[in-house]
Amino acid sequence: DIQMTQSPSTLSASVGDRVTITCRASQNINSWLAWYQQKPGKAPKLLIYKASNLEFGVPSRFSGSGSGTEFTLTIDSLQPDDFATYYCQQYDNLFGDTFGQGTKLEIK
Amino acid sequence: EVQLLESGGGLVQPGGSLRLSCAASGFTFSNYAMSWVRQAPGKGLQWVSAISSSGDSTYYAGPVKGRVTISRDNPKDTLYLQMDSLRAEDTALYYCAKDWGSASYFFDSWGQGTLVIVSS
Repeated sequence: DIQMTQSPSTLSASVGDRVTITCRASQNINSWLAWYQQKPGKAPKLLIYKASNLEFGVPSRFSGSGSGTEFTLTIDSLQPDDFATYYCQQYDNLFGDTFGQGTKLEIK
Repeated sequence: EVQLLESGGGLVQPGGSLRLSCAASGFTFSNYAMSWVRQAPGKGLQWVSAISSSGDSTYYAGPVKGRVTISRDNPKDTLYLQMDSLRAEDTALYYCAKDWGSASYFFDSWGQGTLVIVSS
């Protein structure tokens, strides 16, 4: 079964910073990876799919990269609205972990 | 506008049953796979179950396999999750999630969730 590991678990940053979140899969998932943003009390929101494709309406400061087993989500020039929890999700198969454990992005 | 409205959650004793529903609108329901994803209080997201657009194929996460049944009624634009033999660890907010495509199994729309609490 696939295991998904995100790092870091918590990230402190300031408005205007560039941040990177990493997601690792225990086996090759090609580019079948999505990223979501979740704010407290709200449902998750799709940001990126197929590792690097920006979902319609998502600001271009968000970008994704990677393939195989290692992936990154980068946010350029952090905005106040970006402080949230971020999850990766593999959809190569439905066995094992689907989501990473999450990365909480906090204001420094 | 896509809307997903979950219902059916509540407080249930261990070993009990619940049936969750998700009423969909704003898209052609029968064209999309659908899933249930849950989130225990203060925890991360956990995929629970998925069903193909036609309903012919169903998939379950290991922790719930054999205890839950996903189904859909395409003419009624409604997704269901029958949950039996509930355990304390099933306590969570259950989200209904719409597939990005016909069978992509990642999600571009989510409901607001229905809370299931399993406790005596």
